[in-house]
Amino acid sequence: KAGVTQTPRYLIKTRGQQVTLSCSPISGHRSVSWYQQTPGQGLQFLFEYFSETQRNKGNFPGRFSGRQFSNSRSEMNVSTLELGDSALYLCASSLEPSGRTIYFGEGSWLTVV
Amino acid sequence: GIQVEQSPPDLILQEGANSTLRCNFSDSVNNLQWFHQNPWGQLINLFYIPSGTKQNGRLSATTVATERYSLLYISSSQTTDSGVYFCAVGPPIKEETSGSRLTFGEGTQLTVNP
Repeated sequence: KAGVTQTPRYLIKTRGQQVTLSCSPISGHRSVSWYQQTPGQGLQFLFEYFSETQRNKGNFPGRFSGRQFSNSRSEMNVSTLELGDSALYLCASSLEPSGRTIYFGEGSWLTVV
Repeated sequence: GIQVEQSPPDLILQEGANSTLRCNFSDSVNNLQWFHQNPWGQLINLFYIPSGTKQNGRLSATTVATERYSLLYISSSQTTDSGVYFCAVGPPIKEETSGSRLTFGEGTQLTVNP
């Protein structure tokens, strides 16, 4: 059974650009959540989607947005990139929103220069 | 928001040694999980343990929910156990929210030397 797949794995962007990251959950999982990991702030919750609806959102500016499609795949977008957005972005999927057991992907490493 | 504190922040062991990692949390929760982050960045789920004790091979975990702490035990450590161990908790029970929103501790960096 395939795990959580994130693309791209590595990318470099310039300040002011925007980026879209993709996440395909484990087959049958309908809940997808996103986290940002930086050396300074650690792992922080971005947002969670279930059945194409955003259920929770973390304390991030509006430049960070996401969506979920009918096949449960999810994308997150960061507009007007800042240097501080350089981070590992992790996607996780779970069978249902309780998050009893969640499975993480390998992440997308974003560098903003 | 809920606070999660892990100790120690760093731990260096010789192969074969045992260790105990601690996680304190500031509010009552019904979701607590332990993860291991490998050198490539992936978080691997070790235990879902909001209360009680579980064991999986050389690893075991205990959560005392009434005292708001959890312990992760690693016995007979191996070099492949190296990495960062995270404790993560769900929203406080009193918030009456569901969802997989997790608050992570800062982690324990474990190094196991041969």
